[in-house]
Amino acid sequence: EDQVTQSPEALRLQEGESSSLNCSYTVSGLRGLFWYRQDPGKGPEFLFTLYSAGEEKEKERLKATLTKKESFLHITAPKPEDSATYLCAAPGSNTGKLIFGQGTTLQVKP
Amino acid sequence: DTAVSQTPKYLVTQMGNDKSIKCEQNLGHDTMYWYKQDSKKFLKIMFSYNNKELIINETVPNRFSPKSPDKAHLNLHINSLELGDSAVYFCASSLWTSGDFTDTQYFGPGTRLTVL
Repeated sequence: EDQVTQSPEALRLQEGESSSLNCSYTVSGLRGLFWYRQDPGKGPEFLFTLYSAGEEKEKERLKATLTKKESFLHITAPKPEDSATYLCAAPGSNTGKLIFGQGTTLQVKP
Repeated sequence: DTAVSQTPKYLVTQMGNDKSIKCEQNLGHDTMYWYKQDSKKFLKIMFSYNNKELIINETVPNRFSPKSPDKAHLNLHINSLELGDSAVYFCASSLWTSGDFTDTQYFGPGTRLTVL
């Protein structure tokens, strides 16, 4: 069964303390791995799409990487405004419908 | 210049009532979606339309009925609301370049439904 699992569920960092969020997937024939950011009371905001193992994408303090089993969202020197829930998703192998992980809620304290 | 918009933002209603949520996108996309996000923030697909044709119909109660009058609009009507329907409902849209769901989906701001 296709699954997308994120860890940790919650992460607290001090401002400037770099860390990584994990998204592991069991989807055969991966056709894309999506990262979204969701602020409280808002809809998910698209960040990145990764298509093949070894691919990396960057945006400001965020860098997403992809292996054959998992994706990482690296946050370098985070700021309080990076606080949000980060969601990853992948199209299911049979139907292609997006399967979301449960999210990692990041809190960055000043 | 809102990309995907939903109305209303909040919806508070009594059990047994019927309510509708509206969604509109101005991105020129031809595929639209309804998702439900529960209290644990799990996002789960409910329905999807491509060019006004229903292409995803997940196992949801038939009290939920989507309607797409045109490519830019997708509405969700819910009959006989129950307590368990309380959640945040998100509309999303995407292109359909590969004939599957691998195009990036863009989400609306959500509608928080509370059933009393």
